[in-house]
Formats: sequence, structure tokens, C-alpha cells
Amino acid sequence: NAGVTQTPKFQVLKTGQSMTLQCAQDMNHEYMSWYRQDPGMGLRLIHYSVGAGITDQGEVPNGYNVSRSTTEDFPLRLLSAAPSQTSVYFCASSYSILDTGRDTQYFGPGTRLTVL
Amino acid sequence: ILNVEQSPQSLHVQEGDSTNFTCSFPSSNFYALHWYRWETAKSPEALFVMTLNGDEKKKGRISATLNTKEGYSYLYIKGSQPEDSATYLCAPPPDSNYQLIWGAGTKLIIKP
Repeated sequence: NAGVTQTPKFQVLKTGQSMTLQCAQDMNHEYMSWYRQDPGMGLRLIHYSVGAGITDQGEVPNGYNVSRSTTEDFPLRLLSAAPSQTSVYFCASSYSILDTGRDTQYFGPGTRLTVL
Repeated sequence: ILNVEQSPQSLHVQEGDSTNFTCSFPSSNFYALHWYRWETAKSPEALFVMTLNGDEKKKGRISATLNTKEGYSYLYIKGSQPEDSATYLCAPPPDSNYQLIWGAGTKLIIKP
């Protein structure tokens, strides 16, 4: 198993550009999520999905879109990049969020994004 | 959204000393709490999942306890080593909208 993979590892964008951060998992996990990590703020939930075809907004969804057409893939799209979106982005997955929340979250290696 | 608080925010500990820190969470409707360890430039990795009041889990020199009635969990590290330097995160179970909200973490720095 490759676990949770993310691409790219690093990206520099100019303000106004759009791009897609890729996330894939090969563990047949139902639940997938995107977080951003900023200094002193821990992990903040951007969007999440409880299964293919279902997505929902987290704490900080503005400026981001997601889709979940397959169980394996959960791409995060930045619509028009802004300097405030400079951050480290983590994708995570777990088998199911729908039982009792006991499932471990598995994280990808992260994408470090800089918006100039 | 469940409110999770971790304290202290950061902690400097001399190598060889023992230490502990706290995760506080709402005690109503509790059913699980997770601890994760997050080393710099890496991804968070699971340490423990705790479900029962009075639970105690152990992994080497790291252990955790749980008090669901008063809404807190302690993480203990015995005989701190440089490799223990990391941010330790706790997360309660997801809320009714299936959102997982994490504590801000306790950043532990071990001084040689």
C-alpha cells in the first residue's frame, strides 16, 4: 500500500492563478479530508468527504473547491490563488467516520504552497 | 463544532526529564479521543485512540490517560529524549456534521 499520496510536494503560484492539489489513497477509505496548517494554528479543516459523490465544507472553505468522483481520489482546487492561501496542505483519510470516530486518520506527506 | 483545547502551547523540557500535557474537550456525548504525534516537516501519525473513562494506553515511554466525566486527557512522556521533540495533537470524535476538529497542539522541545 502506498497509503495517502499527495502531489505536488512544493508549488509556487502567482496571485490569481488556479491549480489543483492531488490526493489519492489506496486503502479503500470512505472518509477523506483536506487541512491547512499555518504557524500557531494547528490543522484547520477545509473540506471533507464521507464517501464518493459526497463533499462538505469545513472550517475554512472559502477559495477552495473539492470533488470526490471516486473512493480513491480527492483533489483540492484553488480557484484564484491569494497570498493568504500560502500554507502547508495535508490530505487525510480514514476507513469510516460514520461509526464511532475510532478510526485512525492517515495523513499524506503534505504540499507546501507559496502564493506570491 | 466541538471545542478542543490543549495546554500548554509549547513546552521546553530537559533531556531525561518527564513531562505531561493536557487535552480538554466537552464531556457530553463523548465516545473517543485520538492522540497524534507530529514531527517537524513530517505528517501527523497516530499514537493512541482512547474510548473508555479511566482508559490508560502506553507506547514505550509515552502513555495517556482519559477522564471522560471531566473532559480531559493527559499525555505523559517519561525520560524525554531528543526524538520526542514534536507537536502532540489531540482530536475528539467528529461532530454531528462529521467534521474532525483538532486541538492546536502542544509543541514539545527537548533540550540536550
